[in-house]
Amino acid sequence: DAGVIQSPRHEVTEMGQEVTLRCKPISGHDYLFWYRQTMMRGLELLIYFNNNVPIDDSGMPEDRFSAKMPNASFSTLKIQPSEPRDSAVYFCASSLGPAGLSYEQYFGPGTRLTVT
Amino acid sequence: RKEVEQDPGPFNVPEGATVAFNCTYSNSASQSFFWYRQDCRKEPKLLMSVYSSGNEDGRFTAQLNRASQYISLLIRDSKLSDSATYLCVVGYGQNFVFGPGTRLSVLP
Repeated sequence: DAGVIQSPRHEVTEMGQEVTLRCKPISGHDYLFWYRQTMMRGLELLIYFNNNVPIDDSGMPEDRFSAKMPNASFSTLKIQPSEPRDSAVYFCASSLGPAGLSYEQYFGPGTRLTVT
Repeated sequence: RKEVEQDPGPFNVPEGATVAFNCTYSNSASQSFFWYRQDCRKEPKLLMSVYSSGNEDGRFTAQLNRASQYISLLIRDSKLSDSATYLCVVGYGQNFVFGPGTRLSVLP
């Protein structure tokens, strides 16, 4: 079975440009999560969706970040305009059910973003 | 205080050693517990869930102490391939909270 799919795997862009990251969750998973990981801050939850509806976006750093999930098999994370401090690895993860019922999360391979 | 805390390490141990990692969490409403493993420049991968009675998977043993809000992971007979960062994860409601991770290096 295919796991969580993310694209692109690597993105290098200049400051001020728009960046769009893409994610396809595991089929049948109702939850989708976007994380950001840096050496300094570790793994940070940005936003998560349940049945395509954003539930908690309190981790989104600022208005330059936005996320959508137009259907059960696709989500995007957009940064506009990008800044050098956005450089990080962005992970998408999905799970079959809520954390409180012991459903595990499965991660995609990540997108390594470099903003120059 | 962070919601999930771990000793960052690094733990440098020789092959064959037994090593234990600890994790504490602050939210008493936490309902589910996991250990994930992350290799350098890779995504986190589920190592094992942690059950109230404790559980074992081969060389790996996980324990949970709800009263002390403490989780542990024991690795016996460590292998070079066990070198990675081990992330403690706590779940409640719809949220997963990741600890900062403990780095393990198993040396030949």
